[in-house]
Amino acid sequence: DVVMTQSPLSMPVTLGQPASISCRSSQSLLDSDGNTYLSWFQQRPGQSPRRLIYTVSNRDSGVPDRFSGSGSGTDFTLKISRVETEDVGVYYCMQGTHWPGTFGQGTKVEIE
Amino acid sequence: QVQLVESGGGLVKPGGSLRLSCAASGFTFSDYYMNWIRQAPGKGLEWVSYISSSGSTIYYTDSVKGRFTISRDNTKNSLYLQMNSLRAEDTAVYYCARGVAAAVKYWGQGTLVTVSS
Repeated sequence: DVVMTQSPLSMPVTLGQPASISCRSSQSLLDSDGNTYLSWFQQRPGQSPRRLIYTVSNRDSGVPDRFSGSGSGTDFTLKISRVETEDVGVYYCMQGTHWPGTFGQGTKVEIE
Repeated sequence: QVQLVESGGGLVKPGGSLRLSCAASGFTFSDYYMNWIRQAPGKGLEWVSYISSSGSTIYYTDSVKGRFTISRDNTKNSLYLQMNSLRAEDTAVYYCARGVAAAVKYWGQGTLVTVSS
């Protein structure tokens, strides 16, 4: 299975400041169809995961534009331009190019 | 709108069995792969099993092979996970989720399975 490695695993952030989470895969996520199936999920305390980003950089409907995704191949990044209180939670990257899908360990974002 | 509602979780002794269900609505269930993904308390997410739209393709993570069985009933818009020979390490919230891994977006609220004597 593809191993997904996130860093950092914990991120204290100041309200209004940017935040960045890195995700690396053990093999390229570029699919033979030309797409790269890397998603980002947010899990708030006590809730199910919510998808924020799909195919590296596409925001799901209703996701604030302060969230953005980038990357290619094996290196990916989720950025929050200005952290708000509602962004507290755990963020997971997930690859869907190679069955089965696999997740990163999660990055806990908290307000300092 | 898409809804996935899991049920069937609970407290069970090691070696016991449980059957989880996921009731789907708001989409054409028979068109989609379906998945069970679990999250142990305070831990990350793990893909447990998936089943193709027709049921002809099935996957299990190694730790549950031979103990868990995924199935679906497209006439009832329902997904199932039969869990036998349960172990303490199976304790987790079990989520059903819609779609192939490349396109998983919708998740249920989860059902908690606790394996303890």
